[in-house]
Amino acid sequence: GQQVMQIPQYQHVQEGEDFTTYCNSSTTLSNIQWYKQRPGGHPVFLIQLVKSGEVKKQKRLTFQFGEAKKNSSLHITATQTTDVGTYFCAGHEDSSYKLIFGSGTRLLVRP
Amino acid sequence: DAGVIQSPRHEVTEMGQEVTLRCKPISGHNSLFWYRQTMMRGLELLIYFNNNVPIDDSGMPEDRFSAKMPNASFSTLKIQPSEPRDSAVYFCASSLDDRGSYEQYFGPGTRLTVT
Repeated sequence: GQQVMQIPQYQHVQEGEDFTTYCNSSTTLSNIQWYKQRPGGHPVFLIQLVKSGEVKKQKRLTFQFGEAKKNSSLHITATQTTDVGTYFCAGHEDSSYKLIFGSGTRLLVRP
Repeated sequence: DAGVIQSPRHEVTEMGQEVTLRCKPISGHNSLFWYRQTMMRGLELLIYFNNNVPIDDSGMPEDRFSAKMPNASFSTLKIQPSEPRDSAVYFCASSLDDRGSYEQYFGPGTRLTVT
């Protein structure tokens, strides 16, 4: 079945440093979504990418969808303590309602 | 908009007891998902409803788990009898479409501890 892998599992950065998490699917995805879960909280939708090679930005966050639609990345520029949390990618295969979540990358930011 | 509402927020029960988790999706959403989150297994989809009809329950661990959606504004997830390995955070999420291509809105979750 479809698998979505995410690396790294953990990342501990100094405030102001950049951060990147990578997501790889075993199959081609129709779209990919990113969610953020704060400690003790619930996943919150950040963005969805649909097109091959698509790049979207939200302030200091940059999201990319690979050309083959099998991988994606989230890059945070100049991290802040408010960025702390676990970032999940989640993908759909074509014609599937099922959103398969990656294992998540937990980001810790030292002030 | 109140968002997805779940109750209870915390549940502590003894092994063998019945547990019922409740969810009220966002008004107007036609898809509802139940997930389980643990450190070991991450976020797992348990069951998916579309227009109150269960579409896929292949993620339900075993017969001890059952879910219902009697109407568009209410769903339950029941575990009977509960076991310690059922301890997890259970999330309900709702979405606006039936193809899953729209974002899912998660509730705050129910933290279940079975002793």
